[in-house]
Amino acid sequence: GQQVMQIPQYQHVQEGEDFTTYCNSSTTLSNIQWYKQRPGGHPVFLIQLVKSGEVKKQKRLTFQFGEAKKNSSLHITATQTTDVGTYFCAVNFNKFYFGSGTKLNVKP
Amino acid sequence: GAVVSQHPSRVICKSGTSVKIECRSLDFQATTMFWYRQFPKQSLMLMATSNEGSKATYEQGVEKDKFLINHASLTLSTLTVTSAHPEDSSFYICSAKGQGLNQPQHFGDGTRLSIL
Repeated sequence: GQQVMQIPQYQHVQEGEDFTTYCNSSTTLSNIQWYKQRPGGHPVFLIQLVKSGEVKKQKRLTFQFGEAKKNSSLHITATQTTDVGTYFCAVNFNKFYFGSGTKLNVKP
Repeated sequence: GAVVSQHPSRVICKSGTSVKIECRSLDFQATTMFWYRQFPKQSLMLMATSNEGSKATYEQGVEKDKFLINHASLTLSTLTVTSAHPEDSSFYICSAKGQGLNQPQHFGDGTRLSIL
């Protein structure tokens, strides 16, 4: 069965607007990872969150791990066309399971 | 950063052919490698987990005899799609992970398999 739910499935934004994708699990997670896959490419590791309530930033990207370690979010501030791609969360239950992904399209 | 090499990047072959895909970790020892299948506009579906020197663990619904996985060394895992048919056409991606609980996966570039 699906280990983690990810929403939304698609997001179309105007360049400069913000974007957020969410992952939710019914069980407590030991950690959560985020990946970005450009069209035609392979997933690229972005970050891993381990601690309850953890917040990490990478330039315009902000990653959060919920207090209960059951949900996580990725927020992009002021999107750019280079942000286009599909963002996946992945959870580790001795093996990795990927969320369904959120495809981000940014209009210039 | 860690590099994973996957070959070939694209295969087009006739139905009934067996196809072997290689996944190599170039600059680290991959104690675990994963094989995924990705359909267009969908997420990655884990097919199997392979640990060096032991049999692969397959996910439910994945045929062991159809998708043969060998993890002969700490840097190489292979996936062989045996007697491939058009429904096996897909994008196959491998990933490698180093030793340690919280290590990230590093992905190969993927193999686009087209069976005519």
